[in-house]
Amino acid sequence: NAGVTQTPKFQVLKTGQSMTLQCAQDMNHNSMYWYRQDPGMGLRLIYYSASEGTTDKGEVPNGYNVSRLNKREFSLRLESAAPSQTSVYFCASSEGTATEKLFFGSGTQLSVL
Amino acid sequence: SQKIEQNSEALNIQEGKTATLTCNYTNYSPAYLQWYRQDPGRGPVFLLLIRENEKEKRKERLKVTFDTTLKQSLFHITASQPADSATYLCALESSGGYQKVTFGTGTKLQVIP
Repeated sequence: NAGVTQTPKFQVLKTGQSMTLQCAQDMNHNSMYWYRQDPGMGLRLIYYSASEGTTDKGEVPNGYNVSRLNKREFSLRLESAAPSQTSVYFCASSEGTATEKLFFGSGTQLSVL
Repeated sequence: SQKIEQNSEALNIQEGKTATLTCNYTNYSPAYLQWYRQDPGRGPVFLLLIRENEKEKRKERLKVTFDTTLKQSLFHITASQPADSATYLCALESSGGYQKVTFGTGTKLQVIP
């Protein structure tokens, strides 16, 4: 049972490049989330998806787009990367629509030069 | 404004002692509070959840208290071991659902053999 799988683990981009971070969960969870973690800032919610077919903005959505491809997969896209998006990105999932414990992936370390 | 405070300084304790970590919050009315463990290069892992009407929760060597009057949660690890060394995050969910989960910045615990 893999849980939450994120790819890639590391990525270096140049300013203005685009990329998509992939996330998949195999726990049949309804809700999925994208967070970023920066030193001294804690985890901040970028976007979330309460259920298949729905997505909503979190605390810091600017510069990002998401797609809930199906129940298993939730991708995060950076259309035009900026140095301010250098961070560690975590995907998470939870079972129901009410907040319960979150299951996190191992993260993607992204550097934008 | 809403704020979650965890001691940003690392906590160093001797093996076998009880470690106590603090999570203080302001301008929240959390429905519940969660504690997570995060190891370097990994995603957070859920440890315990305590609801607003619960004073204390235990799981093996872990104990969490929740004082909504003091607006504080204490996280205790008894008989600490070097393997307990990690960063511990608290997270609050105000009534209103998943988009309202906010994480603290975490406290790094180092258990010295």
